[in-house]
Amino acid sequence: GAGVSQSPSNKVTEKGKDVELRCDPISGHTALYWYRQSLGQGLEFLIYFQGNSAPDKSGLPSDRFSAERTGGSVSTLTIQRTQQEDSAVYLCASSLGLGRGWNTGELFFGEGSRLTVL
Amino acid sequence: AQSVAQPEDQVNVAEGNPLTVKCTYSVSGNPYLFWYVQYPNRGLQFLLKYITGDNLVKGSYGFEAEFNKSQTSFHLKKPSALVSDSALYFCAVRDPLGGYSTLTFGKGTMLLVSP
Repeated sequence: GAGVSQSPSNKVTEKGKDVELRCDPISGHTALYWYRQSLGQGLEFLIYFQGNSAPDKSGLPSDRFSAERTGGSVSTLTIQRTQQEDSAVYLCASSLGLGRGWNTGELFFGEGSRLTVL
Repeated sequence: AQSVAQPEDQVNVAEGNPLTVKCTYSVSGNPYLFWYVQYPNRGLQFLLKYITGDNLVKGSYGFEAEFNKSQTSFHLKKPSALVSDSALYFCAVRDPLGGYSTLTFGKGTMLLVSP
């Protein structure tokens, strides 16, 4: 597609349930990133993919969070046993891969998935 | 470590007046610096970046930013604000030699332009 696509745009769930958030990056972008945006907290880095591998998972807040990417394209962020503090907007971004402008760090963001845990 | 600070949670300016949104950074080497804008219920949009060269960089929608190495700052500016500029602005930094995978963002500054 023309831009980064995320789904669902809004998700309301009950505490303890699992949720899956999906990101479809810009075609040809080999780098993919997940960020979390909480009110007053700015953007919190979660995980970075280069192709299907995740060389940097340092931002995942707990082992309830996991992510995968298949076919060098679509990525899924899974949150197990959701807690109220997981409520936030989850943003996905993609960029050109290594050697093709990646090192200047320009990211292209989706519109986010707003997660509300009741 | 790489970090960025946006000291103002909110900036208020009247339409037609110049605006400045402040950003300071901390990296061990030479930084790559960025500004992004977020409109309500939207993702972030790239405005401009400094990688190397001229300290004054120009970006989208008439915005510009000045890299000041001695003050470790990268303030966003516009000569004449528009009501439509009202949005949340994020400064971001990356140290290309620091081993970081991606950008570190500030907490954001809400810009409100009044008619």
